[in-house]
Amino acid sequence: EVQLLESGGDLVQPGGSLRLSCAASGFTFSNYAMNWVRQAPGKGLEWVSVISSSDGSTYYVDSVKGRFSISRDNSKKMLYLQMNSLRADDTAVYYCAKSLTPGTTDSEGYFDYWGQGILVTVSS
Amino acid sequence: QSALTQPASVSGSPGQSITISCTGTNSDVGSFYLVSWYQQHPGKAPKLLIYGVSKRPSGVSNRFSASKSGNTASLTISGLQAEDEADYFCCSYAGASTVIFGGGTKLTVL
Repeated sequence: EVQLLESGGDLVQPGGSLRLSCAASGFTFSNYAMNWVRQAPGKGLEWVSVISSSDGSTYYVDSVKGRFSISRDNSKKMLYLQMNSLRADDTAVYYCAKSLTPGTTDSEGYFDYWGQGILVTVSS
Repeated sequence: QSALTQPASVSGSPGQSITISCTGTNSDVGSFYLVSWYQQHPGKAPKLLIYGVSKRPSGVSNRFSASKSGNTASLTISGLQAEDEADYFCCSYAGASTVIFGGGTKLTVL
């Protein structure tokens, strides 16, 4: 059974940093691109970032470029999101999401498994 | 990049069919056959309903169908059931290795 479990969410002050983690199990982690998708309270979904399965390519939504960094450790089956210079509008539930298609280098927008989500609150 | 445009809400009675539209631009929906749809119940993670414009993952009911014409994608739910009451989001590849979601549509089953 595929499982994705996020951790690391917290209340942080504007300008602060936070690192989210996602522990994966139940599939060959190294074969799939992995994504972060967020949802502000009462709002819609927003794709944040993707890391490829193979060459380590990373891509971001414009609003987090230069502030967020996605990474993965295939040996530990872990996905990470380092978030710096956090702003109030980064407040959201952050989901770790597995790409549907193996071997992709970026995100097609097909997320077949999601974690339960972790809340990040940016406030003073 | 702005979110894809979806109606804020739709409603239907049990047994009826409803359609949710998702309008993008020539830079996303209109240019790629990489459209997906998600269902989200309150407090839950989204669930993939449709990918590749009209393909259903294993386990998704055939009451869910979808299509695309030009810059607009559509999701149709036939034989509405109470359990279909949820939020629905469309999603499209938007070029330059980025993805964009719609604003979401709340489906109410009357």
